[in-house]
Amino acid sequence: DADVTQTPRNRITKTGKRIMLECSQTKGHDRMYWYRQDPGLGLRLIYYSFDVKDINKGEISDGYSVSRQAQAKFSLSLESAIPNQTALYFCATSDSKGGAYEQYFGPGTRLTVT
Amino acid sequence: GESVGLHLPTLSVQEGDNSIINCAYSNSASDYFIWYKQESGKGPQFIIDIRSNMDKRQGQRVTVLLNKTVKHLSLQIAATQPGDSAVYFCAERYSSASKIIFGSGTRLSIRP
Repeated sequence: DADVTQTPRNRITKTGKRIMLECSQTKGHDRMYWYRQDPGLGLRLIYYSFDVKDINKGEISDGYSVSRQAQAKFSLSLESAIPNQTALYFCATSDSKGGAYEQYFGPGTRLTVT
Repeated sequence: GESVGLHLPTLSVQEGDNSIINCAYSNSASDYFIWYKQESGKGPQFIIDIRSNMDKRQGQRVTVLLNKTVKHLSLQIAATQPGDSAVYFCAERYSSASKIIFGSGTRLSIRP
C-alpha cells in the first residue's frame, strides 16, 4: 500500500550495529504501529503510538526504541542489533476516528543481522 | 486454525470450492475482530471485520462468523480463486487495551 511506506525494504547488518527503520504515511492517521513477523508466526507488536506525544510498549519492546517525529513519521531503532532480531518488520497505521480499528500496513522491511 | 509453534497450519482447497479458515481467540472481553490476508512479499491487507455484538457479516465473496460461546471465529471464502492463495490472520481487539493482537495465521493454497 503506497500510502504507508517503509525504508529500507531490505537491510543486512552486523551484530552490535545501530540501525533505524523508517515509516511514513500519507493517510492522515493518528495512530502508528511497529510489528515484527518471524517465519511461521503471526505479527507481534513492538511499539505503538496513538499520537505524536504518546508512545507505548507492545509485547516485545526489549532491544528496540521508537521515535514519532511527526504525525506522519514513526521510526524504529535497534540500538545494538543481535541475530535473533532478524525478521520482517511492518509498520501500520490506523485512524482513531469513526470507531473502526482497521490497520493499514506498509510493505515491510526484511532485516538480517549477521 | 490457530497454530502454536513454528509451523503454519495449511489449508489446501480445490479451485472453485469454498474455503473455511478457523481461528480460536483468547480473550472473552475482546470486542472487535478482523481478518487479514497476507500475500507473499507484502504486508497484511484488511479483508473484513466484525464486532462482538454480531455473529455474522458478509462481504464480497467472504463471510465472517463469530461464536462467542466457544470463542471461535471463521472466515469463509466462496468460489476460491488462485488469487486467494495467501496467509490469513485473524486478529482481536482487547477492549481494555485498545490494541490489536494477531493470531499466527493459516496458509491457504489452491489446487488447480
